[in-house]
Amino acid sequence: KNEVEQSPQNLTAQEGEFITINCSYSVGISALHWLQQHPGGGIVSLFMLSSGKKKHGRLIATINIQEKHSSLHITASHPRDSAVYICAYGGSQGNLIFGKGTKLSVKP
Amino acid sequence: DGGITQSPKYLFRKEGQNVTLSCEQNLNHDAMYWYRQDPGQGLRLIYYSQIVNDFQKGDIAEGYSVSREKKESFPLTVTSAQKNPTAFYLCASRQGPYNEQFFGPGTRLTVL
Repeated sequence: KNEVEQSPQNLTAQEGEFITINCSYSVGISALHWLQQHPGGGIVSLFMLSSGKKKHGRLIATINIQEKHSSLHITASHPRDSAVYICAYGGSQGNLIFGKGTKLSVKP
Repeated sequence: DGGITQSPKYLFRKEGQNVTLSCEQNLNHDAMYWYRQDPGQGLRLIYYSQIVNDFQKGDIAEGYSVSREKKESFPLTVTSAQKNPTAFYLCASRQGPYNEQFFGPGTRLTVL
């Protein structure tokens, strides 16, 4: 059983739409990570948050520690946002425990 | 620029051959990690190293080996004992357990 559940698995949106990707986890954590993986495979860290909300450009990440839930929002989506978005939390060895990812496709 | 490099980007191997994937970082990070990614699955931890000359097995270490002779280098060898080695391999590093992790561009290994 994956300890990190993401929904939806796949998401298709029209350019300009507001997008939400959800992440639930089952253990107590100190921080949650949101990552972006482009078609070539490279992964970029978007956010690391332990409480509340963080914003970077059109991306917003929120977390509710009590409910063990986080969301990633994209406002005014654009085709260049098309990627796989992955949430993860820190494991005991300093590694990350990853969700399976949400594949986002934004159509022009 | 600081970052993590992996080489090669694509690698083809015949069954029964060992192959070594390179990972180099110039971020001066102590900890380095190797992950494997398969279609439809989350990344899984193969090996990790928190300090030079020390490394530990991750969740799926069977059929793999690593070394950490220098702080900046953490090569991964995929041995012939790995039954299903075709996958995308990602190397990562971080300064401390509560810092963000930085990833290399990955190596796609295909066994022919």
